[in-house]
Amino acid sequence: SQQGEEDPQALSIQEGENATMNCSYKTSINNLQWYRQNSGRGLVHLILIRSNEREKHSGRLRVTLDTSKKSSSLLITASRAADTASYFCATNPLGGGKLIFGQGTELSVKP
Amino acid sequence: NAGVTQTPKFQVLKTGQSMTLQCAQDMNHNSMYWYRQDPGMGLRLIYYSASEGTTDKGEVPNGYNVSRLNKREFSLRLESAAPSQTSVYFCASILVKSSYNEQFFGPGTRLTVL
Repeated sequence: SQQGEEDPQALSIQEGENATMNCSYKTSINNLQWYRQNSGRGLVHLILIRSNEREKHSGRLRVTLDTSKKSSSLLITASRAADTASYFCATNPLGGGKLIFGQGTELSVKP
Repeated sequence: NAGVTQTPKFQVLKTGQSMTLQCAQDMNHNSMYWYRQDPGMGLRLIYYSASEGTTDKGEVPNGYNVSRLNKREFSLRLESAAPSQTSVYFCASILVKSSYNEQFFGPGTRLTVL
C-alpha cells in the first residue's frame, strides 16, 4: 500500500494564482520530498523537508510539514503556465533509504 | 555528466517474450531503484539495490528480476512478459548521506505488452 495520499488529484487554476497540494502519510518518516513530472518525462526533485522542520521555502515553493497530523502541503505562488505538471510527494520512512510515492496531483495552469 | 540513463525508451513485446531494461548512472551513487508508473497509481517500487552486490524486493516484485552489474548499472528483466506489465518504468539513484535522500530519475521506458 502506498504511504502518501495526495489531494486534490487534479487542480486547474489561472496564471498568477496560487496552487496548494496536500499530502498525507501513515508512518514515521526521516523526510518528505516533493517531485515534479512533466508529461512523458522522469521525475525531478523539487524540495525536501526533514522531520524536524515545519516549513521550508525554495523560490516560489513553500512546503509545510505537520508530523503530528502526518501531513504536508506544497504551495506554488504566482503560478505560471510552465508550472503545468504532475506533482508527487514521497516519504522516506524511518530506517530505510527507500522513497514511497503518492499518486500525484495533476496541476494545470491556464494562461 | 549524463545523470541517469535508460534504454530503450520504447518497447513493444508480445505476451511471453522476455527483455531487459538497462539503467546506468554516472554520479557514483550507491543506491539504485526500479519503479513502475501506471495511471492513477503513482510510482510503485519494484526492486532496489542499496549498494553494489545487494538487491531487495519492493512493493511489486512479481514477474521481475534485477541485476546490480556494478556500481553504475542496474538492470530489470522481464522473463515472460504479461499484459499487466504494460507500464512506464523508471530507474532512479541516490547518494545516500545522512538523512538527505534526493532521488535522481531517468527519462523512463514505455513498455507495451500485447
